[in-house]
Amino acid sequence: AQSVTQLDSHVSVSEGTPVLLRCNYSSSYSPSLFWYVQHPNKGLQLLLKYTSAATLVKGINGFEAEFKKSETSFHLTKPSAHMSDAAEYFCVVSDPASYGKLTFGQGTILTVHP
Amino acid sequence: GAVVSQHPSWVICKSGTSVKIECRSLDFQATTMFWYRQFPKQSLMLMATSNEGSKATYEQGVEKDKFLINHASLTLSTLTVTSAHPEDSSFYICSAPKTSGGPEETQYFGPGTRLLVL
Repeated sequence: AQSVTQLDSHVSVSEGTPVLLRCNYSSSYSPSLFWYVQHPNKGLQLLLKYTSAATLVKGINGFEAEFKKSETSFHLTKPSAHMSDAAEYFCVVSDPASYGKLTFGQGTILTVHP
Repeated sequence: GAVVSQHPSWVICKSGTSVKIECRSLDFQATTMFWYRQFPKQSLMLMATSNEGSKATYEQGVEKDKFLINHASLTLSTLTVTSAHPEDSSFYICSAPKTSGGPEETQYFGPGTRLLVL
């Protein structure tokens, strides 16, 4: 069985300050991990993914995430927030035993203040 | 990147009627597609796996007779909500995995269909 826990339901930052969205996972296998972003009334967009290569993964729009097996974490960061980053973010784990099945975290709503 | 479309984007229907939602992979073929539902302020929950040419696989607690899935071709899966009731009102999202030639694959999501049952 696998699960994902996003530790914060809401995160609020000021424009230009760093962003940290926390995610912990549980998996019986070596997982594939993803971060998706969902803007209002738009589909989910893949930010980045970890698939057992480099532990520091760089994604689109300046986001990156670090896979830490010892901490079972996959936190998402960005050095400087932009107003357009305001959205809901989902940490997702893929079950290698069930091709393509994804388990979603509860989501973190990011608010960016001017 | 790959594109997955859904139609309609939103639908309002009367209680007791059936609603069909289409999910299409526009520039790649998908032997498997996935259907999720998302309640307000909640995460996505996997409902079922749609398999081209065979029966769908439903997650525990999802009524297969209520949520009919047909994967008619390599680019189209449909979800029919039969005898819809207000509690079926939700945001339905499909996804399709696309491989890049290796063992890794990426899920591409449709924009979602918002269903409101009156």
